[in-house]
Amino acid sequence: GESVGLHLPTLSVQEGDNSIINCAYSNSASDYFIWYKQESGKGPQFIIDIRSNMDKRQGQRVTVLLNKTVKHLSLQIAATQPGDSAVYFCAENYSGGYQKVTFGIGTKLQVIP
Amino acid sequence: DTAVSQTPKYLVTQMGNDKSIKCEQNLGHDTMYWYKQDSKKFLKIMFSYNNKELIINETVPNRFSPKSPDKAHLNLHINSLELGDSAVYFCASSQEAESTFEQFFGPGTRLTVL
Repeated sequence: GESVGLHLPTLSVQEGDNSIINCAYSNSASDYFIWYKQESGKGPQFIIDIRSNMDKRQGQRVTVLLNKTVKHLSLQIAATQPGDSAVYFCAENYSGGYQKVTFGIGTKLQVIP
Repeated sequence: DTAVSQTPKYLVTQMGNDKSIKCEQNLGHDTMYWYKQDSKKFLKIMFSYNNKELIINETVPNRFSPKSPDKAHLNLHINSLELGDSAVYFCASSQEAESTFEQFFGPGTRLTVL
């Protein structure tokens, strides 16, 4: 249904600074986590993923950190650029299911030139 | 060249009408999905098909009926449209592999019910 009462969190960052987007997940049985980026007018696009047997994974300019103890996930973007402006979603999956991915609420990242 | 395509991109219709949205993927994936994204960007899964078989059916009104004629296509038919059906609908596909459950999303269909 509708996400009544929930507002899309917004993070404003100066161009060139690092960004940290946080996410709390709900299912302690989830063992796979993904970050997606959704630009305005487009569908979500995969950025990086991490399995529950890892604490950290790095990609190009992005790093995902996983803290299973407190069910927390973060996405770090180094040297944020205007093209990084988008809504970022974390998603969790339990591999015992049928690839059902549950998306978090999303965070809007605004990069100030 | 488009991996996951949807038609139409925009759909404006009156309450009570019946409409369909089509989705096609040329990635050779076995699994396809329909998601609904509301005005606050909340993204919620509606259905999933694996090799033409329904495997996920969330609590969606039975006015919504997905159909998968083959594993490359997943269409969504909506009967008796209501104002609350206004949203962006995304189709996605994936291929389960050992290392990733990455889903590839289409560009979305913005449905406006008047």
